[in-house]
Amino acid sequence: DQQVKQNSPSLSVQEGRISILNCDYTNSMFDYFLWYKKYPAEGPTFLISISSIKDKNEDGRFTVFLNKSAKHLSLHIVPSQPGDSAVYFCAATSNTGKLIFGQGTTLQVKP
Amino acid sequence: DGGITQSPKYLFRKEGQNVTLSCEQNLNHDAMYWYRQDPGQGLRLIYYSQIVNDFQKGDIAEGYSVSREKKESFPLTVTSAQKNPTAFYLCASSMGSGRSYEQYFGPGTRLTVT
Repeated sequence: DQQVKQNSPSLSVQEGRISILNCDYTNSMFDYFLWYKKYPAEGPTFLISISSIKDKNEDGRFTVFLNKSAKHLSLHIVPSQPGDSAVYFCAATSNTGKLIFGQGTTLQVKP
Repeated sequence: DGGITQSPKYLFRKEGQNVTLSCEQNLNHDAMYWYRQDPGQGLRLIYYSQIVNDFQKGDIAEGYSVSREKKESFPLTVTSAQKNPTAFYLCASSMGSGRSYEQYFGPGTRLTVT
């Protein structure tokens, strides 16, 4: 049972345009959501997070939107840069001490 | 310079041998985690530990064992009972206290068993 799903395995955008990565979840107990970025053969690095009491969190070029009624979150990257090319994982947690990760979306930003 | 160290970066073993992957952190974090990454499957939790001398099974614990004798160290043993041990293994830590929040990851160990 996949509680966190990233239905798009890959996404390709032009440099300077917006990248939108999507994530859906099924467990209504999740109350905190995170996005991680991962380069090949490296560990993921934390990017941005959002609590379920908010619907938007912004940090520079990165904005995460949360739609609780739809159990959907998205990560917007504006403007996209070639260095943003990586695998992006969304993750969710409740009061269990565990993060549940999606399958990841590979973003390619073309110069 | 605080962080998480995993060694070695690449590890090769023959089938039927146990192998132990190292994970050390100097972030003073209470909680530590082991994940496995396979292509197209994201990160799956193997074991986690929220305090010293205590650990819990994750979603795919079969064929693995861990210990947490020190706060800084959380080694993972891949036993011969693990049917598909070849994978990229990631260790992480967090402040813990029952809430995951941000986890900080090590660089990973790629294990190949032939």
